[in-house]
Amino acid sequence: DVKVTQSSRYLVKRTGEKVFLECVQDMDHENMFWYRQDPGLGLRLIYFSYDVKMKEKGDIPEGYSVSREKKERFSLILESASTNQTSMYLCASSLRRGSTDTQYFGPGTRLTVL
Amino acid sequence: KNQVEQSPQSLIILEGKNCTLQCNYTVSPFSNLRWYKQDTGRGPVSLTIMTFSENTKSNGRYTATLDADTKQSSLHITASQLSDSASYICVVSAFTGGFKTIFGAGTRLFVKA
Repeated sequence: DVKVTQSSRYLVKRTGEKVFLECVQDMDHENMFWYRQDPGLGLRLIYFSYDVKMKEKGDIPEGYSVSREKKERFSLILESASTNQTSMYLCASSLRRGSTDTQYFGPGTRLTVL
Repeated sequence: KNQVEQSPQSLIILEGKNCTLQCNYTVSPFSNLRWYKQDTGRGPVSLTIMTFSENTKSNGRYTATLDADTKQSSLHITASQLSDSASYICVVSAFTGGFKTIFGAGTRLFVKA
C-alpha cells in the first residue's frame, strides 16, 4: 500500500512566523502535490513537483514556496504566515510524470494561524 | 472555464437506504473522472475511475456512472452503512497541453442509525 505521511496533524502558529509542512511518500512516486482544503471549496492546488528540485505553480501559489530535495520528500513553506492561510493542507503523490494516475493523499495538517 | 459542480452539498439518510450523488462538469478535453471518499480528519481515497469510453464502474456497494455526452456523473451507494458517512469528491482530469485535475467541493453524506 502507498503511504503518504505528513509531519503534523495539527499546528498552531502566529502571524508572521515561518511555517514548514513536511510530506513523505514511500512508493517511489514521481509526482507530489500540495493542496489546501477549505469548507465549501474543492481542493485547490498550491504547488506540485514531478522530479527532484523541480516545482510548478498550481492555482494558488501566492504566499507559499516548496522544496523537493529528495524524491520521497516534498515540503511546503509559508514564509510569513497570515490568518488567511488557516486551512487544512493535504499532500498527495502519484506514480508517473505527465499522467493523471490516482493521487494518494496524506492525512492532512490542520493549520491555524493566530 | 473548467469546473466541477456537485450536488447536493450535504445529505442525511438512514442506515440501509440507498442514495445517489451527482457531479456535473465542464472540463474539456476530458481525460478521466474519479470519485474519492474522504473520512473526517483523513485524506481522500480513490473509489472509482472512469475514462471516456466507460459508463459504469463498481466498487463493492459503490457504483459510478458517466455520461460523457451530457458531462454528468453519479455515485450510487447501495444499502448504506454508518461507515459511509464521509465527504465524496468528484475529480475530473483534462489534458490541456499538460494534465490538469479539477476537484469538486464534495457532498457531505451523513448516515444515521
